[in-house]
Amino acid sequence: AQSVTQLDSHVSVSEGTPVLLRCNYSSSYSPSLFWYVQHPNKGLQLLLKYTSAATLVKGINGFEAEFKKSETSFHLTKPSAHMSDAAEYFCVAGGDSSYKLIFGSGTRLLVRP
Amino acid sequence: DAGVIQSPRHEVTEMGQEVTLRCKPISGHNSLFWYRQTMMRGLELLIYFNNNVPIDDSGMPEDRFSAKMPNASFSTLKIQPSEPRDSAVYFCASSANQQRSGNTIYFGEGSWLTVV
Repeated sequence: AQSVTQLDSHVSVSEGTPVLLRCNYSSSYSPSLFWYVQHPNKGLQLLLKYTSAATLVKGINGFEAEFKKSETSFHLTKPSAHMSDAAEYFCVAGGDSSYKLIFGSGTRLLVRP
Repeated sequence: DAGVIQSPRHEVTEMGQEVTLRCKPISGHNSLFWYRQTMMRGLELLIYFNNNVPIDDSGMPEDRFSAKMPNASFSTLKIQPSEPRDSAVYFCASSANQQRSGNTIYFGEGSWLTVV
């Protein structure tokens, strides 16, 4: 069965330091993979997506993610955290049906001044 | 583009009352989704429409929940009668063609429902 595991429920960084949010997936094929961000009291906004083209995907707001098939990982990174990055981040995989998404449990990012 | 538009943004209602949540998808999108988000269960797909036709309603909790899509630009999710355990954030989302994997699904800002 497909699954998405976000390895950290909470990540805390200082402003200006790098961000790493970890995601592993389990699938019998190479799925489409997405990172969404949810700010407090807001909907989910797409940061970036991978659909079997380049393995390094660049997204909005300076975020990027690298698809590593050998490690079944799709970790999200940003070189320098900003206070406005504080939010919940969801790693999401396309499911076995074209319309189904498999959501990770989310990682809450806290950015300290 | 205005994005996916949901109303109301916030609703507080008494147990037993009918609740209707509304959604306007992005113009030109032919796939529409209703999701529910709770602390305990995360994000759950309730129902998926393609070209205004319900394709998968297996996530609808029970008969108290119903969803319609009378045309390409409008959908409703109705709860009748509402119960306190229905308190959650309900998201509507749309995509250009979810018959193909990998298409981006765009979410609305959510309807925050509290049933007391």
